[in-house]
Amino acid sequence: KAGVTQTPRYLIKTRGQQVTLSCSPISGHRSVSWYQQTPGQGLQFLFEYFSETQRNKGNFPGRFSGRQFSNSRSEMNVSTLELGDSALYLCASSLTGISNGYTFGSGTRLTVV
Amino acid sequence: EDKVVQSPLSLVVHEGDTVTLNCSYEVTNFRSLLWYKQEKKAPTFLFMLTSSGIEKKSGRLSSILDKKELSSILNITATQTGDSAIYLCAVEETTSGSRLTFGEGTQLTVNP
Repeated sequence: KAGVTQTPRYLIKTRGQQVTLSCSPISGHRSVSWYQQTPGQGLQFLFEYFSETQRNKGNFPGRFSGRQFSNSRSEMNVSTLELGDSALYLCASSLTGISNGYTFGSGTRLTVV
Repeated sequence: EDKVVQSPLSLVVHEGDTVTLNCSYEVTNFRSLLWYKQEKKAPTFLFMLTSSGIEKKSGRLSSILDKKELSSILNITATQTGDSAIYLCAVEETTSGSRLTFGEGTQLTVNP
């Protein structure tokens, strides 16, 4: 059974650019959540998508957005990158997103220079 | 604001030791508490504890939820170098859908 696949694994971008990260959940899972992990803040919830709808959103600026496709794959976009956006971005896949357990991908390491 | 606090933040032990990691939470509408192990990048699931299942065990690892004290412990017996990792505690609330609130994590180092 394939796990959660995140691409790319590493990314280096310049301030002001935008970036798109991708997450393919486990087959049959309809919920995809995104988290930002930094040494100072730990893991912080960005948003969750279920059946192509954003169901939940964390406290991040509007520069962070996402979407989910009909095959449950999700993308996350960050526009106008800032140095502080450098982080490990993790996505978590779940059957329904509530009390079913969450399986994490290996993440995308984003470095903004 | 909802809060999850883990202690200690870091711990160094020798192989064979037993360790206890702590997690306390202050959330309004508790649904479940989850433990994850993070070695390189992907946190891997260890346990989920709810009010209907307050103790879980898997091999050398076990976890207990104390709903009265709003806390949980993760025990690892006969530690091995492969147990070296960051252990994350997260809480799920009934009112926040699928949002997990994580603690800072405990960095465990097991020396041979």
